[in-house]
Amino acid sequence: AQTVTQSQPEMSVQEAETVTLSCTYDTSESDYYLFWYKQPPSRQMILVIRQEAYKQQNATENRFSVNFQKAAKSFSLKISDSQLGDAAMYFCAFLGGSQGNLIFGKGTKLSVKP
Amino acid sequence: GAGVSQSPRYKVAKRGQDVALRCDPISGHVSLFWYQQALGQGPEFLTYFQNEAQLDKSGLPSDRFFAERPEGSVSTLKIQRTQQEDSAVYLCASSPSGGPRETQYFGPGTRLLVL
Repeated sequence: AQTVTQSQPEMSVQEAETVTLSCTYDTSESDYYLFWYKQPPSRQMILVIRQEAYKQQNATENRFSVNFQKAAKSFSLKISDSQLGDAAMYFCAFLGGSQGNLIFGKGTKLSVKP
Repeated sequence: GAGVSQSPRYKVAKRGQDVALRCDPISGHVSLFWYQQALGQGPEFLTYFQNEAQLDKSGLPSDRFFAERPEGSVSTLKIQRTQQEDSAVYLCASSPSGGPRETQYFGPGTRLLVL
């Protein structure tokens, strides 16, 4: 069975600084997808970034980028130039190539200090 | 266009009551997912529909949980004889055709509190 582990329950970053959120996963599949979702206090889950396992190039979306290490089964999220609006719960999620549902980690609560 | 909507946003039930939670997916989205998110946890999969067909219900925690999507659009998650451990946020998500390459779009959730 696939598992997703986020080892940092809480993180804090100063506004305008950079922070990295960690995620590791376990799977025997070779074809899969990885996601980072953001859940602000209003609780609407929003997609931040996604990565296809077959792509070696790390995904980037504006200030958000990932460090995907397939062999190590690691998928960290880097947030550059942190903004107050980045404060939220961040969930790492796994989607197998043959399944429909996402498997989530327990989340990391990110605080941004002004 | 409109996103995924869920109603009610908050529900308080007495233990033993039945509840029904509604999800309106994005128009035209074929696939619909239900997740349960306990306090301080990540969402956990409950069930999955493609059109009106329930393809996977392996995550439903007991036979008190029932989901339907009779016309392939709106879905209802019903919980019978609610228990305190059912207290959680219930999230609905939809995707255009449900293929593994697709992003799931989430609704705001229904927060259920069972007293």
